[in-house]
Amino acid sequence: SQTIHQWPATLVQPVGSPLSLECTVEGTSNPNLYWYRQAAGRGLQLLFYSVGIGQISSEVPQNLSASRPQDRQFILSSKKLLLSDSGFYLCAWVGPTGDNTEAFFGQGTRLTVV
Amino acid sequence: AQTVTQSQPEMSVQEAETVTLSCTYDTSENNYYLFWYKQPPSRQMILVIRQEAYKQQNATENRFSVNFQKAAKSFSLKISDSQLGDTAMYFCAFMKPPGAGSYQLTFGKGTKLSVIP
Repeated sequence: SQTIHQWPATLVQPVGSPLSLECTVEGTSNPNLYWYRQAAGRGLQLLFYSVGIGQISSEVPQNLSASRPQDRQFILSSKKLLLSDSGFYLCAWVGPTGDNTEAFFGQGTRLTVV
Repeated sequence: AQTVTQSQPEMSVQEAETVTLSCTYDTSENNYYLFWYKQPPSRQMILVIRQEAYKQQNATENRFSVNFQKAAKSFSLKISDSQLGDTAMYFCAFMKPPGAGSYQLTFGKGTKLSVIP
């Protein structure tokens, strides 16, 4: 079965510091992978998605970047964090599972920029 | 672009009662998927129920059922016999089948449901 791992679960970083969040999936190959951000009390905003190694699409201009160095690895990065980067970040895998299609989510990373 | 609207930011229901959460969406697609996700305080996203647009029969999963009105672009979630563990944020989501290789998954802003003992 498909599983998705995301770490770290919680992160507190100073303004101006770099960021690296990692997401890996198991039980599938060539997955569609996504990074979402959820601000406090709000819905999920799509940041990046990737359909394959080295293929990254950005949905909104921002201080963040994403990379996909391996088929089942998706990384969210920043060179210099801003206060506005604080939020809850979710990695997701979307694809067919048997006769269905659905999204599987990591457990999320709560990022606080101080 | 697809949009998903959840018009009820917050709702409450008495334990054992029934509650309905509303969701509308806008799309020009004919084939797509709709989902309800639950996000408890742990913030883990949990799939509650899914509906394929080509299926006329409404999906059900135990105490959870949907009222899917394709022409009206409406997809409401009914929770029967509400339990304290149902307290969570509920997100309606729309998924377009892959175009250029990518699934497009769009979420509403969510409805915060509180079940009152």
